[in-house]
Amino acid sequence: NAGVMQNPRHLVRRRGQEARLRCSPMKGHSHVYWYRQLPEEGLKFMVYLQKENIIDESGMPKERFSAEFPKEGPSILRIQQVVRGDSAAYFCASSPPGGFKGYNEQFFGPGTRLTVL
Amino acid sequence: SQKIEQNSEALNIQEGKTATLTCNYTNYSPAYLQWYRQDPGRGPVFLLLIRENEKEKRKERLKVTFDTTLKQSLFHITASQPADSATYLCALSSSGGYNKLIFGAGTRLAVHP
Repeated sequence: NAGVMQNPRHLVRRRGQEARLRCSPMKGHSHVYWYRQLPEEGLKFMVYLQKENIIDESGMPKERFSAEFPKEGPSILRIQQVVRGDSAAYFCASSPPGGFKGYNEQFFGPGTRLTVL
Repeated sequence: SQKIEQNSEALNIQEGKTATLTCNYTNYSPAYLQWYRQDPGRGPVFLLLIRENEKEKRKERLKVTFDTTLKQSLFHITASQPADSATYLCALSSSGGYNKLIFGAGTRLAVHP
């Protein structure tokens, strides 16, 4: 069973371009979380999605950022008109449905390191 | 606002000793507290989870304590090895059906032979 896959692993964009980050959850997992990690900081929650639904996007910047998890295919985190401050490592995690007493372990991907020039 | 603090300075210990890492939090009542390991250039790897009604949890050479009065967790690695060198992250979450994690910045552990 392959782990969580993210691609690309490294992405370089110029200011004003768009960045698309992809996340394929583990087989059988229907919950996806996106986190952002700035240098020397902890991971910060961005958004939680289930198939075709955004459940919690309280950590997403109001503008330029969007996420989706279609019925078929990977989850996509999209950043429009990137700025230097968007440079960070973006991690995706997946978890299975169900779980007991509300807890589901999250399995993290290797991350995408975005550099904005 | 919710805040999680971990030792910001790296912890250097000798192989075979016990490493103890601290996680303190404020303005939060977590249902679950978790510890993750993160190696450079990689995603976090889950190690242990402890619930709010548990005081202590063990897994092989790892031990976690959880004091909800002090709002603190201690993470111990006994008989440490150079392979244990990594950054260790503390994460909190509440109950309620899904698991939005709030992470500390992590403590870097270096185990020297």
